[in-house]
Amino acid sequence: EVQLVQSGAEVKKPGDSLRISCVASGYSFTSYWIGWVRQMPGQGLEWMGIIYPADSDTKYSPSFQGHVTISVDKSINTAYLQWSSLQASDAAIYYCVRRGQSGRLVAGLDLWGHGTLVTVSS
Amino acid sequence: DIVMTQSPLSLPVTPGEPASISCRSSQSLLHSDGSHYLDWYLQKPGQSPQLLIYSVSNRASGVPDRFSGSGSGTDFTLKISRVEAEDVGVYFCMQALQTRTFGQGTRVEIK
Repeated sequence: EVQLVQSGAEVKKPGDSLRISCVASGYSFTSYWIGWVRQMPGQGLEWMGIIYPADSDTKYSPSFQGHVTISVDKSINTAYLQWSSLQASDAAIYYCVRRGQSGRLVAGLDLWGHGTLVTVSS
Repeated sequence: DIVMTQSPLSLPVTPGEPASISCRSSQSLLHSDGSHYLDWYLQKPGQSPQLLIYSVSNRASGVPDRFSGSGSGTDFTLKISRVEAEDVGVYFCMQALQTRTFGQGTRVEIK
């Protein structure tokens, strides 16, 4: 089955570090870009950035550049989203997504993980 | 950033009737390759978002043909020909011409 399986919910304190994961299966991990989307409580969707697993080429949204790190370990088909110092405002659901491809056409974000809930509270 | 503006933000619908959501971008989404990079997503209650339409009018795999997308330049529309109860949720448009940005979302609910 083609899927993205994300790591479980996290409860952290402000200032803590955190890395959440997204394991891809059922397709060639290195052939598709993987991105991350944030959804704050009761809010809409925000684009964070994207990485190409084959060469780790990474593009960040300016809103998140410098605050998070996106990486992959292609040996285990896993993408990561990492914080070195969490803030209360980082509390949200984080989705990993696959950028689809249809021939030469970018075909939307065609595969979504189930989301990882991050709670940040002192 | 390209700003995406959806309307309406709330849409009560009657099953079996058509529905339409508008999405407007702050600049043209036409790419040099001739495509418009505008997608539509549906987030059903308690679920992750799912892709409905990519590049304005291409239905994603498994999406019923009652969903259709149209538009060009800065104005785009998602239409549901006959709403079903399972179509409730929040609909988002998203541009992928530059760093991706989403619309605010349109909440569709049954009257």
